[in-house]
Amino acid sequence: QSALTQPASVSGSPGQSITISCTGTSDDVGSYNLVSWYQQHPGKAPKLMIYEVSKRPSGLSNRFSGSKSGNTASLTISGLQAEDEADYYCCSYAGSSTLVFGGGTKLTVL
Amino acid sequence: EVQLVASGGGLVQPGGSLRLSCAVSGFTVTSNHMSWVRQAPGKGLEWVSIIYGAGRTNYADSVKGRFTISRDNSKNTLYLQMNSLRADDTAVYYCARVPVYSSAWHFFDYWGQGTLVTVSS
Repeated sequence: QSALTQPASVSGSPGQSITISCTGTSDDVGSYNLVSWYQQHPGKAPKLMIYEVSKRPSGLSNRFSGSKSGNTASLTISGLQAEDEADYYCCSYAGSSTLVFGGGTKLTVL
Repeated sequence: EVQLVASGGGLVQPGGSLRLSCAVSGFTVTSNHMSWVRQAPGKGLEWVSIIYGAGRTNYADSVKGRFTISRDNSKNTLYLQMNSLRADDTAVYYCARVPVYSSAWHFFDYWGQGTLVTVSS
């Protein structure tokens, strides 16, 4: 199972919006509405941001949103804040009780 | 309060074995599906294994036949037995919980802090 494809890095200024893409195949992202996104700060465990493509966990800011089209899922962060600077990982169900993660995207807030 | 505390990592020689533990509190280890996810130094996340609430298990191809996931209900603890370890198994290993509200398991709402496994001679 190959990793999902994410850009290595994205950047934006405070207040701006950015979008991180996550490209898979018809065997994973394209077949299931079971995509999740995680935020990870250095030395910390991942934190759930989005599940089932576009749902937010209770209490999470609505600045974070998710979507999917075909084999590509996307995470959009609006109103960028300094504390959003972190690594972001997408993840998709890949059938047969397996998951596949993306390679990760480093978000820099300028 | 939900907590997951991973332990058992360390330095092991290639071909060796190690058992990781994940002590959970705030819920019972059989009430949720549970997984292990690893992260090699400076690299991305990799799903390793799952144990369903009913006990069925599954593994990533990269560890199948070498790793075994299990749990002890009396100790409310999740385990990962790792045998025939290789250098590319070097990683921080996280235990993670699938929430009961998930319609189909594919995400984790709580994670342990991770435990580092280094495979080297």
